Amino acid sequence: GAVVSQHPSWVICKSGTSVKIECRSLDFQATTMFWYRQFPKQSLMLMATSNEGSKATYEQGVEKDKFLINHASLTLSTLTVTSAHPEDSSFYICSARDYTAANEKLFFGSGTQLSVL
Amino acid sequence: KQEVTQIPAALSVPEGENLVLNCSFTDSAIYNLQWFRQDPGKGLTSLLLIQSSQREQTSGRLNASLDKSSGRSTLYIAASQPGDSATYLCAVASGGGADGLTFGKGTHLIIQP
Repeated sequence: GAVVSQHPSWVICKSGTSVKIECRSLDFQATTMFWYRQFPKQSLMLMATSNEGSKATYEQGVEKDKFLINHASLTLSTLTVTSAHPEDSSFYICSARDYTAANEKLFFGSGTQLSVL
Repeated sequence: KQEVTQIPAALSVPEGENLVLNCSFTDSAIYNLQWFRQDPGKGLTSLLLIQSSQREQTSGRLNASLDKSSGRSTLYIAASQPGDSATYLCAVASGGGADGLTFGKGTHLIIQP
């Protein structure tokens, strides 16, 4: 079945540094990928929609200059948290839609736990 | 704006019991509804997907129903096992399916051996 690979699984960084998270679709082409954030005991919240070859679409309240998204190929989208601060500590997870799969299912990566000290 | 609510927030039952998890959504104009399982610190595993035109889907011991007009879905788990312990998330897709999902906060399920 379709697989979405997300790296790293966890990262600890100092305040002010930038962190890049990668999301790859391993056996299908993903023209659209989605990035979510989940705080403890909260829902997954959609941050942005990443479109291959074009600018990402950000949800209301998400700073596009803070969370840089690049979708340069049909199998890779990256999320860069720039100048991370402790309030950015969260679980980040990506998903990709396989339009060739039954019901066009969304498949999710394994997530990245970010801790900013 | 779509809102998804899941009840109960947490549930602990002995092994072998049948149980029902509830999900409600405020905007009935959905594209599909999906149930996921999330294990601690890990990603999501898709369990069942119900298209807006469907009433239910079944996979093994799992059965999900959808009543779009009333904005409700239920996930039925038969003969629960300790390995079923996880957080179960309900999510709806709108906008023709091209948009991201709107998730509920989940039901944290513990099956006692």
